[in-house]
Amino acid sequence: QVTLKESGPVLVKPTETLTLTCTVSGFSLSNARMGVSWIRQPPGKALEWLAHIFSNDEKSYSTSLKSRLTISKDTSKSQVVLTMTNMDPVDTATYYCARNIAVAGTGEYWFDPWGQGTLVTVSS
Amino acid sequence: SYELTQPPSVSVSPGQTARITCSGDALPKQYAYWYQQKPGQAPVLVIYKDSERPSGIPERFSGSSSGTTVTLTISGVQAEDEADYYCQSADSSATYRVFGGGTKLTVL
Repeated sequence: QVTLKESGPVLVKPTETLTLTCTVSGFSLSNARMGVSWIRQPPGKALEWLAHIFSNDEKSYSTSLKSRLTISKDTSKSQVVLTMTNMDPVDTATYYCARNIAVAGTGEYWFDPWGQGTLVTVSS
Repeated sequence: SYELTQPPSVSVSPGQTARITCSGDALPKQYAYWYQQKPGQAPVLVIYKDSERPSGIPERFSGSSSGTTVTLTISGVQAEDEADYYCQSADSSATYRVFGGGTKLTVL
């Protein structure tokens, strides 16, 4: 059974750096067709893709947040870490990690399954 | 930046067919994916690669594509299908991922 679980602080102050960890089980981060993405959802709003990382360490970031995001992985620990700098109240959201399953040879992938999400509130 | 456009809401009576559309310029080139999200829960994949259905997803869920529009169709809607539905795809170079704004399906 494939599962993902997000962990990190529930409350951060403005200007602080957020560090979130996604711990996966049931698949390996070294699998060539699989990776992990981070996605967030502000309360009552739509989903927003943030970043992805694949087994070959290929990374991509949302164009609007690229300067603030860093994604990395520790294959031995089955963990993917996302850091977001200079947090602001508008970054208050539920943050999800999800497994990426790639379509061979295309660069395309989908998200399945998702973690349960973790709500991060930015407030002083 | 690239955008996917969905109607904010769709309403149908039980047993009827619901159709949720998603429009985007790169959809002729990139696959679309659909996710169902019920209140307080994480999204669940219901359609991948435009029209493929994952195991465990009821047959009443189907997907189709025509030009710059993709459509999620739910035949014989049930009360349990009431949820938010999001389409997702990639930009033309498959570098960035994008979600639509979501459609709230109400079962009357």
